[in-house]
Amino acid sequence: KNEVEQSPQNLTAQEGEFITINCSYSVGISALHWLQQHPGGGIVSLFMLSSGKKKHGRLIATINIQEKHSSLHITASHPRDSAVYICGGSQGNLIFGKGTKLSVKP
Amino acid sequence: EAGVVQSPRYKIIEKKQPVAFWCNPISGHNTLYWYLQNLGQGPELLIRYENEEAVDDSQLPKDRFSAERLKGVDSTLKIQPAELGDSAVYLCASSPGLGFQETQYFGPGTRLLVL
Repeated sequence: KNEVEQSPQNLTAQEGEFITINCSYSVGISALHWLQQHPGGGIVSLFMLSSGKKKHGRLIATINIQEKHSSLHITASHPRDSAVYICGGSQGNLIFGKGTKLSVKP
Repeated sequence: EAGVVQSPRYKIIEKKQPVAFWCNPISGHNTLYWYLQNLGQGPELLIRYENEEAVDDSQLPKDRFSAERLKGVDSTLKIQPAELGDSAVYLCASSPGLGFQETQYFGPGTRLLVL
């Protein structure tokens, strides 16, 4: 059974800081998803990746298949980045972690 | 392009009552997902449809939960009878292709409170 762990659970940063959120999973997966959930509850899919790195604006997602680990980086963080970031791994099923709550202070 | 539509947005019922949630995915999307999300947790997959076929329903409590996707478009998730522990947000998502290696588009969710 795949288990997905995220760290840290909570993260507070100052505007402009570089942020890293980590995601580890216990079994091999075919794809890893990163979601952003806003305070109002809406969920947006940020990335789906199976290898290497993807970049969208100030967000970068990387995955190391051998180490079963993925990271989400936010450069030049902004208060509007405040949200819960959730990772999930798929392999026959799709299991999500509990999320990392990010708060960016102005 | 319209996003994933869910209704109702909120529902309050008494335990043992039935409840149904409706989802209209993005037009042309072949895969539809139903998730349950408890407070402070990530979404938990309940069932996944590829077109009309339920291809993954291992996490769906079949004694009280049922789902259908008629004509491979809209979908309904039903709980009968509801229990206190069913209070959660029920999310619907869709993706264009088949399988998990697709970007998912989420609806706003239905917040259920069972009293």
